[in-house]
Amino acid sequence: DAKTTQPPSMDCAEGRAANLPCNHSTISGNEYVYWYRQIHSQGPQYIIHGLKNNETNEMASLIITEDRKSSTLILPHATLRDTAVYYCIVRVRHNQGGKLIFGQGTELSVKP
Amino acid sequence: NAGVTQTPKFRILKIGQSMTLQCTQDMNHNYMYWYRQDPGMGLKLIYYSVGAGITDKGEVPNGYNVSRSTTEDFPLRLELAAPSQTSVYFCASSYGQESGANVLTFGAGSRLTVL
Repeated sequence: DAKTTQPPSMDCAEGRAANLPCNHSTISGNEYVYWYRQIHSQGPQYIIHGLKNNETNEMASLIITEDRKSSTLILPHATLRDTAVYYCIVRVRHNQGGKLIFGQGTELSVKP
Repeated sequence: NAGVTQTPKFRILKIGQSMTLQCTQDMNHNYMYWYRQDPGMGLKLIYYSVGAGITDKGEVPNGYNVSRSTTEDFPLRLELAAPSQTSVYFCASSYGQESGANVLTFGAGSRLTVL
């Protein structure tokens, strides 16, 4: 099962881009990279996912390296409400479906 | 759609008591999951289900039981509560496509304290 490595914490100034890195060097060819975030005491919230190509939606952009061993989540204009723990997850393969195993995540603090 | 609904939101148990955390979803999702989150830690998968009548263990199943008699409901049972089970419990669901993305929708959580 592919595992992920993220920095435990990061700071970002309000209005600036937040770039959250994730290493997943043992990822398999057909495993997706997912990003979720958890605002204090709430249930995790899905942000974005990707397989090989870079992806963008209304919340964020996901940049995956060509060798797929790492990725970066980009919040283009961070706000105070983006302060949360961000989880990078690689979908675990299973004979009956892909359960998601969460790591420790990165605690992002957006400061005024 | 209500999404994923968990009850109760808060509960205090005495050691040795039993209880069931309820989880229901109205999105016709096939897959359902139970996670626990201890203070300051990430989420740990307890059990999951890929459809009615099918359940499987996750990372930390000891002390818990689940059942999946319908697509909508996935209750989590604690038989003999222990202080180590003090945690916040999250239920989640997804379409669970094997060949595609598996995006989870989470409930708001159930905070359990065992004294």
